[in-house]
Amino acid sequence: ETGVTQTPRHLVMGMTNKKSLKCEQHLGHNAMYWYKQSAKKPLELMFVYSLEERVENNSVPSRFSPECPNSSHLFLHLHTLQPEDSALYLCASSQDPAGSSTGELFFGEGSRLTVL
Amino acid sequence: QKEVEQDPGPLSVPEGAIVSLNCTYSNSAFQYFMWYRQYSRKGPELLMYTYSSGNKEDGRFTAQVDKSSKYISLFIRDSQPSDSATYLCAISRPNFGNEKLTFGTGTRLTIIP
Repeated sequence: ETGVTQTPRHLVMGMTNKKSLKCEQHLGHNAMYWYKQSAKKPLELMFVYSLEERVENNSVPSRFSPECPNSSHLFLHLHTLQPEDSALYLCASSQDPAGSSTGELFFGEGSRLTVL
Repeated sequence: QKEVEQDPGPLSVPEGAIVSLNCTYSNSAFQYFMWYRQYSRKGPELLMYTYSSGNKEDGRFTAQVDKSSKYISLFIRDSQPSDSATYLCAISRPNFGNEKLTFGTGTRLTIIP
């Protein structure tokens, strides 16, 4: 495995379900990110972990819960989502810890989430 | 006013044409400018990065920054069908981390053979 891998690639869930998205980076990077990508909207940063500690939480609803057990893995736990949460969820990593502005993020292929 | 404005397109051009993709931004504090390319069903990948006004070339791609107008452009010469993708501009400020990247909406580009 190389780069940033995300599973599952597609997920359909009801509003009362609990599911999790998984991200793994094989690049030895120090920071990991969750982004939400919706049609016709800019990428929205949700969470940032730097050296396994959360450094940024952009006022994301509590129905999204991140977990970063180590520097290579990142999870997004989903609970009682709404239909408007349907989107592509992208995981990214960067070599430098959050706080460096090199701008190079390495993205996974995303998890396409549909909430019914 | 949005911090970054980008026409979402879609934009369709014939193979071999020169493509111009553009973004405008509102905050003069932004100093780092990036273009990401996102193929269908893939994540974005960094295409070009610059931090100064002027032009930066990489093969068929040229990134142009005009800080006085707060305007950035990406030019693609001799466009190929393989260039069909969504192109996202991203900007940042000094001493602000990657988490402070501000993205445009992305322009969906199709190169017609």
